[in-house]
Amino acid sequence: QSVLTQPPSVSAAPGQKVTISCSGSISNIGETFVSWYQHLPGSAPKLLIFQNDKRPSAIPDRFSGSKSGTSATLGITGLQTGDEGDYYCGAWDTSLNAGYVFGAGTRVTVL
Amino acid sequence: EVQLVESGGGLVQPGRSLTLSCSASGFTFDDYALHWVRQAPGKGLEWVSGISWNNGVIGYADSVKGRFTISRDNARNSLFLQMTSLRVEDTAFYYCVKDVDSTMAFYFDSWGQGTLVSVSS
Repeated sequence: QSVLTQPPSVSAAPGQKVTISCSGSISNIGETFVSWYQHLPGSAPKLLIFQNDKRPSAIPDRFSGSKSGTSATLGITGLQTGDEGDYYCGAWDTSLNAGYVFGAGTRVTVL
Repeated sequence: EVQLVESGGGLVQPGRSLTLSCSASGFTFDDYALHWVRQAPGKGLEWVSGISWNNGVIGYADSVKGRFTISRDNARNSLFLQMTSLRVEDTAFYYCVKDVDSTMAFYFDSWGQGTLVSVSS
């Protein structure tokens, strides 16, 4: 049971937009930065978003991140078939002995 | 190009030990913190352990604390994970992961392809 809650799956047609939520608590999202990772089948995970809303230079602006209170959101616009895979949020948890935590992941399906 | 290549995975019995290695290239190794992140079959990602550039800061997930030891050899551009008292629930792909900072910022910007550890009798 992850301390960061994500929906198991989201789906949309090509070209559409999806959003993935990540709900936490004061001890993680509420007090620290959120990152998002993309894990496509057969590939290593990739950093999409760091410090809540910043993109590494190689990540297209179709991907965006935001945070409000104890929740964060990843948005993907212009959905492509190559975006199908699993997406994880992650954050440091400041509660005793918690360490760095990931959400359970959200499967994105392009219809 | 950053490359992280894990090795040392395999099938091991519960209670036994195994050491994973990660060979790095394409960046200045001792400028960055490194981590191990694992993924059990059909499950999500789990941070296992991290180490700063100079071994000054080391952290472990509660699930492996006291059983796993992370270390690095900056002269050999290598990261290690000594795993003892292995349990069935340690079965997973283990990824070697590079941080964006010399200390543990916990932004994982490069990942290896992973090595599979299977713990079974």
